[in-house]
Amino acid sequence: DAGVTQSPTHLIKTRGQHVTLRCSPISGHKSVSWYQQVLGQGPQFIFQYYEKEERGRGNFPDRFSARQFPNYSSELNVNALLLGDSALYLCASSSGSAYGYTFGSGTRLTVV
Amino acid sequence: QKEVEQNSGPLSVPEGAIASLNCTYSDRGSQSFFWYRQYSGKSPELIMFIYSNGDKEDGRFTAQLNKASQYVSLLIRDSQPSDSATYLCAPETGNFNKFYFGSGTKLNVKP
Repeated sequence: DAGVTQSPTHLIKTRGQHVTLRCSPISGHKSVSWYQQVLGQGPQFIFQYYEKEERGRGNFPDRFSARQFPNYSSELNVNALLLGDSALYLCASSSGSAYGYTFGSGTRLTVV
Repeated sequence: QKEVEQNSGPLSVPEGAIASLNCTYSDRGSQSFFWYRQYSGKSPELIMFIYSNGDKEDGRFTAQLNKASQYVSLLIRDSQPSDSATYLCAPETGNFNKFYFGSGTKLNVKP
């Protein structure tokens, strides 16, 4: 079975631009979460979606938004990019049964 | 934001020794606790989880949980150089499996 897939793997954007990151969960997993990880820190919770509904949001500005589609894939959108948005963005999926999340390989976003 | 505290390290242990990694958390409502390993430049991978107070063993790994003290730990026996990584503690909180991660403890196992 395919794991959690994320695209693109790397991305370079300019300040002020918009970016869309994509995630396909493991087949059968209905819960998808997004995390931001900057160098030297643990992953910071951004969003969680379950059954296409937002179930949680971390302390991130409204420039960050996400959605989950009927096939349970998900997008993370970030508007008006700042240099501080440069990070590894991780998507993780779960079967929703409290057996942990499986992470994708992440998207490395660099804002210049 | 839920608080999860870990010693950032680095924790250095010789090959074959026991590595002890500790974590405290603030949310008394947390019921499930997960340990992830993250190699440099890679994404986190699940090592093990624990729900009940006490110890849970899985191969060379033992997770220990004390909900009264809001403390969870991970012991790695017979540490190997391949265990060198950052170990992340993640209590699950609320419904729908929201995880908040600590900043991680960097472990170096010296040959």
